[in-house]
Amino acid sequence: DTAVSQTPKYLVTQMGNDKSIKCEQNLGHDTMYWYKQDSKKFLKIMFSYNNKELIINETVPNRFSPKSPDKAHLNLHINSLELGDSAVYFCASSQVGGLMDEQFFGPGTRLTVL
Amino acid sequence: GQQLNQSPQSMFIQEGEDVSMNCTSSSIFNTWLWYKQDPGEGPVLLIALYKAGELTSNGRLTAQFGITRKDSFLNISASIPSDVGIYFCVPTDSWGKLQFGAGTQVVVTP
Repeated sequence: DTAVSQTPKYLVTQMGNDKSIKCEQNLGHDTMYWYKQDSKKFLKIMFSYNNKELIINETVPNRFSPKSPDKAHLNLHINSLELGDSAVYFCASSQVGGLMDEQFFGPGTRLTVL
Repeated sequence: GQQLNQSPQSMFIQEGEDVSMNCTSSSIFNTWLWYKQDPGEGPVLLIALYKAGELTSNGRLTAQFGITRKDSFLNISASIPSDVGIYFCVPTDSWGKLQFGAGTQVVVTP
């Protein structure tokens, strides 16, 4: 039933480790996104993919590498984790990624880097 | 760069009261959205505004897209406990990229 799902829900790890967050949508949408929400609740887009192609790449460190094996999945891999990477990461999807498309968000993954 | 101001930052209200919040921007936008984030969940779209001056309602929610295309407000009438959460104004650029405001935290007490 779940439209946009993310795993894991919580991720606690040590500085310097590499970790991945997975996202899947069963809405048949063409566009998927990753957002980061910091401790002050600011939500900012990181990446968007349309049909497995990178469309938006904000000024995100290249330690973050999104991977889209097919249009229903967009995973986020983070290398050499830093304390400042602690945040809640949200995946979202929309039909085609246009101006009038509603974006549907997943439940979020809370990443804590110790 | 573009500045987006959302106010108030937080509101503590009693059940049954009306709530108002607004956003102003230094830039013009073609679309204004309002999202709500429940505790521990992702944001959910409440209302979408596509034309300057447009006034739209969704149940107890009413939102308007300012005539200058630089502002928007959201009203919630007769608040209930499930209205608790963070409300975000989200103007959208011509590429469909969402620009989230800082959010208004709403707490409803019985």
